[in-house]
Amino acid sequence: DSGVTQTPKHLITATGQRVTLRCSPRSGDLSVYWYQQSLDQGLQFLIQYYNGEERAKGNILERFSAQQFPDLHSELNLSSLELGDSALYFCASSVDPTGSYEQYFGPGTRLTVT
Amino acid sequence: AQSVTQLGSHVSVSEGALVLLRCNYSSSVPPYLFWYVQYPNQGLQLLLKYTTGATLVKGINGFEAEFKKSETSFHLTKPSAHMSDAAEYFCAVSDLQAGTALIFGKGTTLSVSS
Repeated sequence: DSGVTQTPKHLITATGQRVTLRCSPRSGDLSVYWYQQSLDQGLQFLIQYYNGEERAKGNILERFSAQQFPDLHSELNLSSLELGDSALYFCASSVDPTGSYEQYFGPGTRLTVT
Repeated sequence: AQSVTQLGSHVSVSEGALVLLRCNYSSSVPPYLFWYVQYPNQGLQLLLKYTTGATLVKGINGFEAEFKKSETSFHLTKPSAHMSDAAEYFCAVSDLQAGTALIFGKGTTLSVSS
């Protein structure tokens, strides 16, 4: 158990819909990262927050957005869903944003778009 | 831009045999390097990391990796494979130029036969 929690574990929805994925980082970790894992693209970084502020963006679509709240939990919002958005979405947390500390990964949310 | 190449998408070994999973990286700055393991239907678990200092890094479950700057490599080894080592392994580099998110290789699936 990494200490990072993600809800829900599974999500099935239809094209065009909007969903919200939730992540609670490990106690004391200020940095939260979101990654997408798909068969064709592999593991890709989406976005990073540090202590409530957006710190870096990766290959995140404009239809996707995220935020980190004062209690440090984070939410990833996916809208106008397409079949290609079906993937495993991971949240990871780290004690600081400098890159030398390991990232601890949650169990992931499996999103299926039908 | 930093990148990671894992040679061999699938490696098969016999129980008790040496495990060697190859990883090469590209980075214009001294890298932070990581190996993660993913068991089926689970999140990623850190095996080991290299940030600075000793180039031979020992991790969990008997794995180790050696950072070779001249070869831009960070290969993962284990002297004797166990059936429980069967999983997918990811090499990653910390993207220090863009918020320190992890850039992952495409992964290597390790199969262990008895």
